Amino acid sequence: KQEVTQIPAALSVPEGENLVLNCSFTDSAIYNLQWFRQDPGKGLTSLLLIQSSQREQTSGRLNASLDKSSGRSTLYIAASQPGDSATYLCATPGAAGNKLTFGGGTRVLVKP
Amino acid sequence: GAVVSQHPSWVICKSGTSVKIECRSLDFQATTMFWYRQFPKQSLMLMATSNEGSKATYEQGVEKDKFLINHASLTLSTLTVTSAHPEDSSFYICSASNNLLRDTEAFFGQGTRLTVV
Repeated sequence: KQEVTQIPAALSVPEGENLVLNCSFTDSAIYNLQWFRQDPGKGLTSLLLIQSSQREQTSGRLNASLDKSSGRSTLYIAASQPGDSATYLCATPGAAGNKLTFGGGTRVLVKP
Repeated sequence: GAVVSQHPSWVICKSGTSVKIECRSLDFQATTMFWYRQFPKQSLMLMATSNEGSKATYEQGVEKDKFLINHASLTLSTLTVTSAHPEDSSFYICSASNNLLRDTEAFFGQGTRLTVV
């Protein structure tokens, strides 16, 4: 059974610093991995989807890498801003490809 | 990305009453919809998966008679919390997809905060 872990659970950085968020998974036979952002009391916003055949995906200040052999994905956010404060979740579909398994999330605070 | 609309965004109800939450896919046909529950400072817990026109598949430990799910069309799924009790108070989020999640992104609604008093 796939297990997804995000460490640390919380992170605080000063504005302008680069953010590095980690996601690890136990079963390397994944189809894809998706990163989400969740603001307090809100739903999830999809940030990036990396297919299993890809090593990284980029969107603006966001870059996500995927290393299936080590069971890890990393989300980099360059030049963080207070507006980046949120909880970031990673998730990957299970073996049947029809249900997402989520990590516990990393709560990020960017201080002005 | 695709738009999933969830309504209402919050609701307060009395203990013993039923509450219905709607999830709509606005710009695509959602063959599959997912319902999640989220407790404070925790990740999402999948409650059930529904495919259009068929019965929902519930996760272990989720009472199907308490959480009624209907997916009657390709754009609408509803979750009804029957005979709600304070312990049902939580944040409920739906997600919709037009394909298996191994092939496509998942898109989420804005969530519904349910408070049972």
